[in-house]
Amino acid sequence: GESVGLHLPTLSVQEGDNSIINCAYSNSASDYFIWYKQESGKGPQFIIDIRSNMDKRQGQRVTVLLNKTVKHLSLQIAATQPGDSAVYFCAEHGSSNTGKLIFGQGTTLQVKP
Amino acid sequence: DTGVSQDPRHKITKRGQNVTFRCDPISEHNRLYWYRQTLGQGPEFLTYFQNEAQLEKSRLLSDRFSAERPKGSFSTLEIQRTEQGDSAMYLCASSSQNQETQYFGPGTRLLVL
Repeated sequence: GESVGLHLPTLSVQEGDNSIINCAYSNSASDYFIWYKQESGKGPQFIIDIRSNMDKRQGQRVTVLLNKTVKHLSLQIAATQPGDSAVYFCAEHGSSNTGKLIFGQGTTLQVKP
Repeated sequence: DTGVSQDPRHKITKRGQNVTFRCDPISEHNRLYWYRQTLGQGPEFLTYFQNEAQLEKSRLLSDRFSAERPKGSFSTLEIQRTEQGDSAMYLCASSSQNQETQYFGPGTRLLVL
């Protein structure tokens, strides 16, 4: 069945280092992917998205890479700050015929001062 | 604040009682989504509206659950005869028809005793 997963449940990095959070997806027909950040007790917050016709997209301090050959997505955060500490989810949009996003289980990012 | 809002933010109820949650989407968004999130997991899709039409429902949405969006603006999610297994965070998101990005509200945390 469809699934989106993250490779590591917890990632611990030093403040100022770069962080890389990975995600594997199984539906090769998915056309759109989103990364969300979720802090404790809050709803998911949009970070960055990418369409399946792209392999890289950059935002402010964040970059998303998409490798369709191996169905892999990653989120890179440059110069990680304590405020980046949260749970990060990748989500997959299966097709234009559905409204639902399929989320993975999430990776907890811990930033050490 | 022009983001998605949800009310109440927290609800404690006894098993067997009915509860109703409300979601107000971003004002220009015609699409509205409900998700459920349990501890340590990513959000799971429940249902989706385009304007007032409910276009998609997950198998997770048992007959005890009903969602409405009568005027195509705010939506309500009702759970009848609550069970302890209904305890979760209920998230609402909205998007515009021309963009697939879903923006989430803060959620309603439900605890069924």
